[in-house]
Amino acid sequence: KAGVTQTPRYLIKTRGQQVTLSCSPISGHRSVSWYQQTPGQGLQFLFEYFSETQRNKGNFPGRFSGRQFSNSRSEMNVSTLELGDSALYLCASTPPSSSYNEQFFGPGTRLTVL
Amino acid sequence: GESVGLHLPTLSVQEGDNSIINCAYSNSASDYFIWYKQESGKGPQFIIDIRSNMDKRQGQRVTVLLNKTVKHLSLQIAATQPGDSAVYFCAERENDYKLSFGAGTTVTVRA
Repeated sequence: KAGVTQTPRYLIKTRGQQVTLSCSPISGHRSVSWYQQTPGQGLQFLFEYFSETQRNKGNFPGRFSGRQFSNSRSEMNVSTLELGDSALYLCASTPPSSSYNEQFFGPGTRLTVL
Repeated sequence: GESVGLHLPTLSVQEGDNSIINCAYSNSASDYFIWYKQESGKGPQFIIDIRSNMDKRQGQRVTVLLNKTVKHLSLQIAATQPGDSAVYFCAERENDYKLSFGAGTTVTVRA
């Protein structure tokens, strides 16, 4: 069974630009969560989607947004990039009937903002 | 084995020894406490979880202990192997869908 895939794996942008990251969950998983990982702040929850609906949102500014498609694939968008947005962005999917404790993470997209 | 009384960012352990990784949590309302392992270049991987009404749970070579009185969580790894070298994170979850991660501990296994 294929794992969670994220594209692109690496991305370099400049301040003020916007970026879209993509996540394909494990087949059959309908919940997709996004996390930001930085050396200073650690792993922080961004948002979670299920059946195209955002159910949870973390404490991030409105520049961070996401969506989920009918096939459960998800995208997140960051507009007006700032240097502090440089991070590893991780996507995780959760199987149905799960407690949500075990989330399956992809390898992440490494975003560098110059 | 080697243990960490307080949370320290790094832990070096001899192969074959037992290791203990500690974590302090802050949210008394958390229903679950979970341990994840992140190897270099990969996303975090689930190890084991424990419900807040339990104080101990065992898995394969791992044991999680929960002390709610002092809000402390620990992960014990028996007979540490080179493949156990990774960053270990504790996480909490209330009755919702998000995980709140703590600071990680980098475990290095010495041959």
